[in-house]
Amino acid sequence: AQSVTQLDSQVPVFEEAPVELRCNYSSSVSVYLFWYVQYPNQGLQLLLKYLSGSTLVKGINGFEAEFNKSQTSFHLRKPSVHISDTAEYFCAVSGYSSASKIIFGSGTRLSIRP
Amino acid sequence: ETGVTQSPTHLIKTRGQQVTLRCSSQSGHNTVSWYQQALGQGPQFIFQYYREEENGRGNFPPRFSGLQFPNYSSELNVNALELDDSALYLCASSYTGLVSSDTQYFGPGTRLTVL
Repeated sequence: AQSVTQLDSQVPVFEEAPVELRCNYSSSVSVYLFWYVQYPNQGLQLLLKYLSGSTLVKGINGFEAEFNKSQTSFHLRKPSVHISDTAEYFCAVSGYSSASKIIFGSGTRLSIRP
Repeated sequence: ETGVTQSPTHLIKTRGQQVTLRCSSQSGHNTVSWYQQALGQGPQFIFQYYREEENGRGNFPPRFSGLQFPNYSSELNVNALELDDSALYLCASSYTGLVSSDTQYFGPGTRLTVL
């Protein structure tokens, strides 16, 4: 069985400050890892994904994430946030196929203060 | 290339009624997955359809059912609606084949409110 834990339900930061959203996962098999973003009243948009290879993954909107197998973590980072980054962020895992179901974390609400 | 579309955007029903939600897959995709996102929670997997057959199901009762059509569009049907069925329903499409895609792409969702 697979599970995802997002350690912070809410993260408030000031504009132009760095941010890290934490994610830990549990799985008995190798998995793909994802971060999705959900803006208010919208669906999910893929930010980035880790499939294999380099453990540092770069995504859209200046976000990046680092896969750490020993700590089973996949934390999301951005060096300088903008007001437009205000959204809900979901960490997720899936098996090695698009036919696998995606297991999502409970989400982290990122709120940016001017 | 068109993205995943869902209809309707919003829907209000009363307890005991039945509802049908619709999803059109992204061009070139043949697999559709449905997820339920309750308020303040992450999406939860309902089921997946591939080649018009159910190809995996999450922990949802049989009153949640689906269809996939030859053009790969899909429907989610929920019978005997309960208040707890109020949620955002998300459809995601992907490609399954010799070289399967590794990512599911989501539609904007249908917001269902059960009164």
